[in-house]
Amino acid sequence: NAGVMQNPRHLVRRRGQEARLRCSPMKGHSHVYWYRQLPEEGLKFMVYLQKENIIDESGMPKERFSAEFPKEGPSILRIQQVVRGDSAAYFCASSPSGSVPYVKETQYFGPGTRLLVL
Amino acid sequence: LAKTTQPISMDSYEGQEVNITCSHNNIATNDYITWYQQFPSQGPRFIIQGYKTKVTNEVASLFIPADRKSSTLSLPRVSLSDTAVYYCLVDTADRGSTLGRLYFGRGTQLTVWP
Repeated sequence: NAGVMQNPRHLVRRRGQEARLRCSPMKGHSHVYWYRQLPEEGLKFMVYLQKENIIDESGMPKERFSAEFPKEGPSILRIQQVVRGDSAAYFCASSPSGSVPYVKETQYFGPGTRLLVL
Repeated sequence: LAKTTQPISMDSYEGQEVNITCSHNNIATNDYITWYQQFPSQGPRFIIQGYKTKVTNEVASLFIPADRKSSTLSLPRVSLSDTAVYYCLVDTADRGSTLGRLYFGRGTQLTVWP
């Protein structure tokens, strides 16, 4: 069973360009989470998605950032007009259906995409 | 969610047992304690999770006292490959309140020396 896949692993963009990060969850997982990690810091939650739905985007900047998880294909985190402060590692995690309340489910993380904005 | 406090760094030698303690004084009834491990340039990896008393798996043990205000991750006979950052998370089982997101602090950098 393949784990969470993320691509690209490394992405270099110039200021003002768009960055598009992809995440394929583990097979059978319908919940996707995006986190950002700045150097020497822990991961910070950005957004939580299910297929075709954004469940919680409270951790995502209001401007320039968007996320989707279409019915077919990977989840995509899009950063428009990137700035140097967007340079970070972006991790995607997935978990199973989450349909049972009060059952704690583990999140499985991908290897991350390291974004460098020049 | 309960805030966690853990040492910034720890050092150990190969073959020793390592215990990393995490404080979570404001833990709530529905909260679980979860530990993740992160190697450089990789995503966090789930190690162990518990609610109370002791949990053991093939990787580690987790000790949680009765008041649940702290927990201790125990790694038996560490090797060089155990050098990593270890995160203690307090995570509610109530998906309705947190909507599933995890809260990571800065973690504990464990360095194992030969």
